[in-house]
Amino acid sequence: NAGVTQTPKFQVLKTGQSMTLQCAQDMNHNSMYWYRQDPGMGLRLIYYSASEGTTDKGEVPNGYNVSRLNKREFSLRLESAAPSQTSVYFCASSGYTTGTGARETQYFGPGTRLLVL
Amino acid sequence: GNSVTQMEGPVTLSEEAFLTINCTYTATGYPSLFWYVQYPGEGLQLLLKATKADDKGSNKGFEATYRKETTSFHLEKGSVQVSDSAVYFCALTFFSGGYNKLIFGAGTRLAVHP
Repeated sequence: NAGVTQTPKFQVLKTGQSMTLQCAQDMNHNSMYWYRQDPGMGLRLIYYSASEGTTDKGEVPNGYNVSRLNKREFSLRLESAAPSQTSVYFCASSGYTTGTGARETQYFGPGTRLLVL
Repeated sequence: GNSVTQMEGPVTLSEEAFLTINCTYTATGYPSLFWYVQYPGEGLQLLLKATKADDKGSNKGFEATYRKETTSFHLEKGSVQVSDSAVYFCALTFFSGGYNKLIFGAGTRLAVHP
């Protein structure tokens, strides 16, 4: 049981390049999330997917797109990378997006460290 | 609005010392409360949680009690080890915009020396 996995672990891009961050979970969770972590700002939600086939914007969606490929996989795409997108990106999953207790607890992947030059 | 405030770090302790990391929250309704830990170079791991008032979450020797009257969820451990060195995040969830939002505090870095 690997939990939440992310690839790549580290990536360097030039301004204007595009890339896709991959995330997969094997916990049969319905809901998945993408966050970015910046120094002094904690974690901020970029996009989430309440269930397979749905995606919604979080706090900071500009410059990103997402795809919920199937129940297991949720990818984050940067179409034209900017230096402001230099950050550590975390994927998370939970049983559901609503509810209490075990259903709402989010489990995180190891992160992708992205540097945009 | 809903928010989480943690004590600023870094917190530096000697091995076997007692640890307290303060966390207070502001929320409408009855949020669930969490502590996550981030070890160097790794992602966030759920450390413990409490879903209602007076619940105590515990794991790996860490404890935190959901105190509604003081809106607090302080993290404690009786005897820290060098391996506990990490960044600790207090968080809460509340329902808004169709889903449970997870709000984090800024994190508290703990350094434990032998």
